[in-house]
Amino acid sequence: GAGVSQSPSNKVTEKGKDVELRCDPISGHTALYWYRQSLGQGLEFLIYFQGNSAPDKSGLPSDRFSAERTGGSVSTLTIQRTQQEDSAVYLCASSFEGGTGLYEQYFGPGTRLTVT
Amino acid sequence: GNSVTQMEGPVTLSEEAFLTINCTYTATGYPSLFWYVQYPGEGLQLLLKATKADDKGSNKGFEATYRKETTSFHLEKGSVQVSDSAVYFCALTPHANQAGTALIFGKGTTLSVSS
Repeated sequence: GAGVSQSPSNKVTEKGKDVELRCDPISGHTALYWYRQSLGQGLEFLIYFQGNSAPDKSGLPSDRFSAERTGGSVSTLTIQRTQQEDSAVYLCASSFEGGTGLYEQYFGPGTRLTVT
Repeated sequence: GNSVTQMEGPVTLSEEAFLTINCTYTATGYPSLFWYVQYPGEGLQLLLKATKADDKGSNKGFEATYRKETTSFHLEKGSVQVSDSAVYFCALTPHANQAGTALIFGKGTTLSVSS
């Protein structure tokens, strides 16, 4: 079946603009995660969804970042008033219980965000 | 807190050379450990995993053994190929048997294999 998909694959925006990044998880995966991959910080967890609710938002770096998930499927990560330090690759992952009791995370290809 | 430390790259090897990428971790409790690989232009892929002490994860000729006494999970391959050129990430999760537990990653090690 299809893997995790993300759009757009690349986004260039001007400082101060808002951007929306989309993630479409693997069908049937109830858990969805957003991570950020940047040169200085490596891979960082941002937020986790179980169904449509977000029990763990601990990784969101500021109140300019928000995310929602509708219908237990597609998720959108929104960054308001973008700053240059927001430039990074934003990765989405979804997970399911793989029959071994282990929740395995499957990653999408990422969205490369460049703030100019 | 939980953290992962892996050797910095880049690692440059000739084809058929032996590969070791060191990874050590700090964690409370008994985490599950993973190696992910990111090929050029692609997303992260799970390479192998281990969920308890002394477990050995293996895939595509790569191996790593969960060593609780040394808090390590070093990645090894006996004979690398050019196609193994990629960035390798060591990761842990404190509760892999629970949905919603975030992965904690090392900073990644770039491997470049030449023919």
